[in-house]
Amino acid sequence: DSGVTQTPKHLITATGQRVTLRCSPRSGDLSVYWYQQSLDQGLQFLIQYYNGEERAKGNILERFSAQQFPDLHSELNLSSLELGDSALYFCASSLQGYTDTQYFGPGTRLTVL
Amino acid sequence: GESVGLHLPTLSVQEGDNSIINCAYSNSASDYFIWYKQESGKGPQFIIDIRSNMDKRQGQRVTVLLNKTVKHLSLQIAATQPGDSAVYFCAVSGLFGGGNKLTFGTGTQLKVEL
Repeated sequence: DSGVTQTPKHLITATGQRVTLRCSPRSGDLSVYWYQQSLDQGLQFLIQYYNGEERAKGNILERFSAQQFPDLHSELNLSSLELGDSALYFCASSLQGYTDTQYFGPGTRLTVL
Repeated sequence: GESVGLHLPTLSVQEGDNSIINCAYSNSASDYFIWYKQESGKGPQFIIDIRSNMDKRQGQRVTVLLNKTVKHLSLQIAATQPGDSAVYFCAVSGLFGGGNKLTFGTGTQLKVEL
């Protein structure tokens, strides 16, 4: 158990819908990261937040957004969902910056029908 | 940016043998390197890391070797056990592009044969 929690574990929805994935970092970690894992793209970095502020952006679509709240939990919002958005979404957390180990949560499996 | 590649998508070893999984990276400014293990249906699990000021680091049954000259990273698992069966990813990070962008390789599936 990494100490990072994610909810829900599974999510099934239809195209065009909007969903919210939630992540709670390990106690004491200030940075939260979101990754997408699909069969054809592997693990792709989406976005990083540090202490409530966006720190780095990866291959995140404009239909996707995220935020980190004062209690440091984070949410990833996915809107106008397409079939191709079906994937595993992982959250990771680290103490602070880029030389700190990232610990991953168990993931949310999103299926768009 | 950074790109990371693994040499073999699948590696089969006999139980008790040593396993070596290789990884190549492209950006010479990369300075933090991590190996993760991912079992089916689970999130990546941290195994071992190494920073660019080192060329070798050992953990319990695992050793990571870093060759910055040829931008190559390897993970050695001693006395491989059935519980080691998983997909192994190398991940690379650096201060380029701001923040902590971990770039992952495509993964090597390690299969341990009894």
